[in-house]
Amino acid sequence: GAGVSQSPSNKVTEKGKDVELRCDPISGHTALYWYRQSLGQGLEFLIYFQGNSAPDKSGLPSDRFSAERTGGSVSTLTIQRTQQEDSAVYLCASSLALQGSSGANVLTFGAGSRLTVL
Amino acid sequence: AQSVTQLDSHVSVSEGTPVLLRCNYSSSYSPSLFWYVQHPNKGLQLLLKYTSAATLVKGINGFEAEFKKSETSFHLTKPSAHMSDAAEYFCVVTVKAAGNKLTFGGGTRVLVKP
Repeated sequence: GAGVSQSPSNKVTEKGKDVELRCDPISGHTALYWYRQSLGQGLEFLIYFQGNSAPDKSGLPSDRFSAERTGGSVSTLTIQRTQQEDSAVYLCASSLALQGSSGANVLTFGAGSRLTVL
Repeated sequence: AQSVTQLDSHVSVSEGTPVLLRCNYSSSYSPSLFWYVQHPNKGLQLLLKYTSAATLVKGINGFEAEFKKSETSFHLTKPSAHMSDAAEYFCVVTVKAAGNKLTFGGGTRVLVKP
């Protein structure tokens, strides 16, 4: 597609339920990132996939959070046993592989999935 | 380690007057720096980037930023604000050694008064 597509755009769930958020990156982009944007917290890095390398999971806040990227394309972020503090906008971004020695990837962001945990 | 500090959480300007959004960074390596803009209920959009070429970088919508290594700053400016510039702006740093993870500043919300 022309841009990064995320679904659902809005999700309301009850505390304790599991949720899955989907990201469809730009075709040909080998790098995929998940960020979380919470009110008053700014943008927080969650996880990064680059090609076939092991993902960088250093930003995942707890073991309730996990993500997969199947076939080097679509990614799913799963939050198990959701808590109210998980309420946020979850942003996905993709980019081409590292560009030259500067490594200055330009990330293209999706519109986000707004999660509300009641 | 890398970090970004946006010195103003809110900036209010009148339409037609200059805009200055301040950003200071900290990085152990040569950084790449970006400004992104987020309009209400929209995704993040790249305004401009610095990647060790020219220190004065021009972006979209009349914005520009100057990389000053001695001051570890990357301030964003626009000579004349437009109502459509009302949005939240994020200064971002990344280094190749950090796997290209972006580190975001806290954001500056811009209000443009008619």
